[in-house]
Amino acid sequence: DGGITQSPKYLFRKEGQNVTLSCEQNLNHDAMYWYRQDPGQGLRLIYYSQIVNDFQKGDIAEGYSVSREKKESFPLTVTSAQKNPTAFYLCASSTGAQGQAKNIQYFGAGTRLSVL
Amino acid sequence: GQQVMQIPQYQHVQEGEDFTTYCNSSTTLSNIQWYKQRPGGHPVFLIQLVKSGEVKKQKRLTFQFGEAKKNSSLHITATQTTDVGTYFCAGGDMDTGRRALTFGSGTRLQVQP
Repeated sequence: DGGITQSPKYLFRKEGQNVTLSCEQNLNHDAMYWYRQDPGQGLRLIYYSQIVNDFQKGDIAEGYSVSREKKESFPLTVTSAQKNPTAFYLCASSTGAQGQAKNIQYFGAGTRLSVL
Repeated sequence: GQQVMQIPQYQHVQEGEDFTTYCNSSTTLSNIQWYKQRPGGHPVFLIQLVKSGEVKKQKRLTFQFGEAKKNSSLHITATQTTDVGTYFCAGGDMDTGRRALTFGSGTRLQVQP
């Protein structure tokens, strides 16, 4: 069953702690993205990666870090520098290839992060 | 940087009434996409518009892309309770070549049975 898997579904972070959110896809997509969604608001881009071993900052990258060592995986670390991490985090992927469908986003079910 | 604005933020309609949400970009878009997010769910792709002035229909949903490729609209005819959710537009930026979409803030639709 092809798709994007995010884990965990719910995550709690203590003060000063780094936490890592997992995102795995088996769609053979080149591009992957991380978004943050706050209640009643839209999606803001944190980081994105068009290809393995390369990634770019999005609009709100401060306090976050990513890696893209494998095509299938794009984990997001919320560091202690992110002072307001409580949000719904969505991972997405797209083919990234040439053509009109290249940036159609397929989303995972999301991770809800809360601060203890 | 590119900004994509959506109005209204929220709309409450009676079942059977029509609904429209509007999307405006500060820059020229290479394409515009629309997504629907049900309460508690994740965004799901609805449609993509690429050409200036393009109009596409999906059953009761009509999508338009403006002539200047800076605005778009989604119109739902005769809403049903299954239409409840938040509708987002997302634009690809032609001017900067940024290879990621910029999402609007969304319009939350509530349908009263």
